[in-house]
Amino acid sequence: GAVVSQHPSWVICKSGTSVKIECRSLDFQATTMFWYRQFPKQSLMLMATSNEGSKATYEQGVEKDKFLINHASLTLSTLTVTSAHPEDSSFYICSARLPGGTDTQYFGPGTRLTVL
Amino acid sequence: SQQGEEDPQALSIQEGENATMNCSYKTSINNLQWYRQNSGRGLVHLILIRSNEREKHSGRLRVTLDTSKKSSSLLITASRAADTASYFCAPLSGGSYIPTFGRGTSLIVHP
Repeated sequence: GAVVSQHPSWVICKSGTSVKIECRSLDFQATTMFWYRQFPKQSLMLMATSNEGSKATYEQGVEKDKFLINHASLTLSTLTVTSAHPEDSSFYICSARLPGGTDTQYFGPGTRLTVL
Repeated sequence: SQQGEEDPQALSIQEGENATMNCSYKTSINNLQWYRQNSGRGLVHLILIRSNEREKHSGRLRVTLDTSKKSSSLLITASRAADTASYFCAPLSGGSYIPTFGRGTSLIVHP
């Protein structure tokens, strides 16, 4: 159990376009999900906390108007990279934790975004 | 939340050898978790050790925690080529349950 999926697994887009990445908890409900980004050979950097039915909480330095997060249901959070630029090329990973207060996070397989 | 600092940054060993990687952190914790990331993939939770525990085992994994030194170690015994991955620790303190990560230890196990 505790499977998190992401779609797409990779995407290539042109500069200036918007890209939507989906994160789904397949076998559990997640009131909170998390979005990270990872540059090559670097660590994962927390971007934002996605809260079901309310606004996301962004980490310092993350532009909320550029990285739109929508957590419309208990099993789906989406991250939209708006007006993408080459510097947004990165590996985006989401995670969720099981309800009930456990500290273990379950991560999606990641989405590789390349902006040309 | 705080992030752990893994050491060494890179480790290269032969199959069958043991691999030890360390994690240091700065402030007191509730628990510490270890995760593995295969290249180009998400993270997989390996083990969680609570602040009142000193050692924990899971299969070929052994994790120790020394709260007086604010450090933890992950030992992989009888390593396999499939253990090749990056390993991250995530210390959690206060009321936080959101892991933040350091650069990790990149482990290469040669067949």
